[in-house]
Amino acid sequence: EPEVTQTPSHQVTQMGQEVILRCVPISNHLYFYWYRQILGQKVEFLVSFYNNEISEKSEIFDDQFSVERPDGSNFTLKIRSTKLEDSAMYFCASSVANIQYFGAGTRLSVL
Amino acid sequence: SQELEQSPQSLIVQEGKNLTINCTSSKTLYGLYWYKQKYGEGLIFLMMLQKGGEEKSHEKITAKLDEKKQQSSLHITASQPSHAGIYLCGAGGTTSGTYKYIFGTGTRLKVLA
Repeated sequence: EPEVTQTPSHQVTQMGQEVILRCVPISNHLYFYWYRQILGQKVEFLVSFYNNEISEKSEIFDDQFSVERPDGSNFTLKIRSTKLEDSAMYFCASSVANIQYFGAGTRLSVL
Repeated sequence: SQELEQSPQSLIVQEGKNLTINCTSSKTLYGLYWYKQKYGEGLIFLMMLQKGGEEKSHEKITAKLDEKKQQSSLHITASQPSHAGIYLCGAGGTTSGTYKYIFGTGTRLKVLA
């Protein structure tokens, strides 16, 4: 069964460093998403991406964040200068219609 | 903005017991999704409901959307340890005129063998 793949499963970084979280969406899907979940809190939407551009973003998705689909298979989330409060589980999702399918997540720890 | 509230927040049941989880929305639901979250596996899609009064089943899990489309319930019959995890309801998607989902607070289920 096709699945969304995320790497790495755990990323540790120092405050102020740049990180790139990687995702391989399901191959025939057209819409791509990033969500995050801070420990003990709700899953929150960050951004959606369609046709090589951002289709919607939340207030959380400020200038420190960017997304890219560098080739036909990868979808990345970049955080330019990480802060302590960026520590969270980041989930990538993809969809072809209404149902979004999620990856296992990347746990980002900012020290 | 739309808010989803789930109850109960946590649930511990004996194996074989039935249970129900509720999800209440502050606004009309045009797409309601149930997911199960397990550590290391992300969010696993269970079911989608769109029409008022709709009911769907998969194995021992049944989900319903009420006629007014502001509340959904997830019912597990004869629970098993494999049902343990965090159940999330989500709303949104393109039927609601948005790409994003919003999620409820989650219900943590533990099933005792």
